[in-house]
Amino acid sequence: DTAVSQTPKYLVTQMGNDKSIKCEQNLGHDTMYWYKQDSKKFLKIMFSYNNKELIINETVPNRFSPKSPDKAHLNLHINSLELGDSAVYFCASSHARLEQFFGPGTRLTVL
Amino acid sequence: AQSVTQLGSHVSVSEGALVLLRCNYSSSVPPYLFWYVQYPNQGLQLLLKYTTGATLVKGINGFEAEFKKSETSFHLTKPSAHMSDAAEYFCAVSVNSGYSTLTFGKGTMLLVSP
Repeated sequence: DTAVSQTPKYLVTQMGNDKSIKCEQNLGHDTMYWYKQDSKKFLKIMFSYNNKELIINETVPNRFSPKSPDKAHLNLHINSLELGDSAVYFCASSHARLEQFFGPGTRLTVL
Repeated sequence: AQSVTQLGSHVSVSEGALVLLRCNYSSSVPPYLFWYVQYPNQGLQLLLKYTTGATLVKGINGFEAEFKKSETSFHLTKPSAHMSDAAEYFCAVSVNSGYSTLTFGKGTMLLVSP
């Protein structure tokens, strides 16, 4: 009965590899987000989708590509991973401007 | 553009003492305000929110916050700290710009000593 789930929880990979993180929400929300939390715990919005349409695309390298196959899923694909991509990535969902519900996070470590 | 400032990256209190975590926001339009808590190695959990109406809002775990427009503040308080309250706390603001975007403060780590 998890509201927002992400897989995997931990991801360790080498520089230059391509990886994906999956997110699913069962709350019936129409908007989903990806956030990056750096080593200092600072949270920054990366992308937002509303009804499968990209509505927010912050200044993020184009190596990061979100994909929303349906309203309940928002995946994040990262090409050519770099050391600086190491962080915790959080998926979230909301209905319109109401509170956002967060997933448990995916800790990405790039070696 | 909106912004959030959380005063103090770390706040230390004794168990049973008052908790006060400060948050000031900047917004050119009426904001929605949120406090989230993050326990170690977990996601963010909503503590409370202010949208419209009553300016004193109560949340989970005995926390409350008061929206003060004149001071552009939304400070979080709890009368008596518990050891289990030790966590990272984030204040966030959302403005109605067509779609919801949350801007977070840098977080305040609450340390509770016995």
